[in-house]
Amino acid sequence: AQTVTQSQPEMSVQEAETVTLSCTYDTSESNYYLFWYKQPPSRQMILVIRQEAYKQQNATENRFSVNFQKAAKSFSLKISDSQLGDTAMYFCAFYGGATNKLIFGTGTLLAVQP
Amino acid sequence: DTEVTQTPKHLVMGMTNKKSLKCEQHMGHRAMYWYKQKAKKPPELMFVYSYEKLSINESVPSRFSPECPNSSLLNLHLHALQPEDSALYLCASSPEAGIAKNIQYFGAGTRLSVL
Repeated sequence: AQTVTQSQPEMSVQEAETVTLSCTYDTSESNYYLFWYKQPPSRQMILVIRQEAYKQQNATENRFSVNFQKAAKSFSLKISDSQLGDTAMYFCAFYGGATNKLIFGTGTLLAVQP
Repeated sequence: DTEVTQTPKHLVMGMTNKKSLKCEQHMGHRAMYWYKQKAKKPPELMFVYSYEKLSINESVPSRFSPECPNSSLLNLHLHALQPEDSALYLCASSPEAGIAKNIQYFGAGTRLSVL
């Protein structure tokens, strides 16, 4: 069965600094997608970035980038130049064809301090 | 436009009430989802509709009844709920349910309290 693990329940970073959120997953599938979603106190889940497993190049979206290590089944999110608006719960998620469901990790609560 | 609209934003209901949650998207997406989310927990999938047909029911109690009247609209009918059903209910949509086009966009949710 597919599982997604986020080992950092909470993290804190100073404004303008860089922070990395960890995510590992377990699957026997070769074709799948990985996501990072952000959920601020306003509740809306916002898609931050998506990575296709068969692409070796790491996805980037402005200040957000991932380090995708397929062999190690690791998918970390790097946030550069952190801003107060980045304060949120961040969920790592996996989607594979075997289950056809988005499987979420337990989340990392990130606080950006002024 | 990646907007999924959910109404109402907040709902308080008694255990004998009947109410409905509504979700709407105008992105031409053909897959729609209901999730339940408890505080500080990840969302849990409840139902998936693909091309207006129910494709996944995650063994949800019958007091929750989904409906997809058309490709833009998804309802969740609630009846005889229990206090433990109090949660944030999230709707999402994606271009299709299959793996290649499963980028899910979420609404802001309905905060449900059952008294």
